[in-house]
Amino acid sequence: DAGVIQSPRHEVTEMGQEVTLRCKPISGHNSLFWYRQTMMRGLELLIYFNNNVPIDDSGMPEDRFSAKMPNASFSTLKIQPSEPRDSAVYFCATLATLRYNEQFFGPGTRLTVL
Amino acid sequence: AQKVTQAQTEISVVEKEDVTLDCVYETRDTTYYLFWYKQPPSGELVFLIRRNSFDEQNEISGRYSWNFQKSTSSFNFTITASQVVDSAVYFCALSEYMLTGGGNKLTFGTGTQLKVEL
Repeated sequence: DAGVIQSPRHEVTEMGQEVTLRCKPISGHNSLFWYRQTMMRGLELLIYFNNNVPIDDSGMPEDRFSAKMPNASFSTLKIQPSEPRDSAVYFCATLATLRYNEQFFGPGTRLTVL
Repeated sequence: AQKVTQAQTEISVVEKEDVTLDCVYETRDTTYYLFWYKQPPSGELVFLIRRNSFDEQNEISGRYSWNFQKSTSSFNFTITASQVVDSAVYFCALSEYMLTGGGNKLTFGTGTQLKVEL
């Protein structure tokens, strides 16, 4: 199994630009989580999907952030417009509900907004 | 609300020393899971162990061992004979089962930076 795949691994953009982060979950995993990691705030859960449906988006910072999961094998996290304070590492994690309880994390996307 | 506290921000040890990373948690759930993850300098998050609230047996895996005590709400992690490759940030996490929608939401501690020096 290839594990959770995230792309791009690194993204550098200018303030105001749209940024799209992508995640491919492990096959058969039906829950997907987006996290953000910063030095100041640690690991924060942004949004969580179960069976492609957004269940909890209370961690999404503001309307500039949106996430979708159009099918079981793909999810996106979009920031529009991006701001320097969005600079962070964004992780995608997945798990197979009722089978495992540990979340498997992707390698993360390091986002830098100038 | 759930909470995980890792009071040790940074620990430095010399190789071959034993080191214990502390984790204290708060939850009102009777059924929950506790986890440890390792984040090496390369940045990925690596799952180490899962423990459910009904299983208080300590676990040993090679140089790693975990001590789960419900009475003190603690889930401590010990590395025996530490090695330079153990240098990483270690996160303790607590899961909350999502009644709506299913699945488990993780609450992470702030992490403990472990530095193992020669």
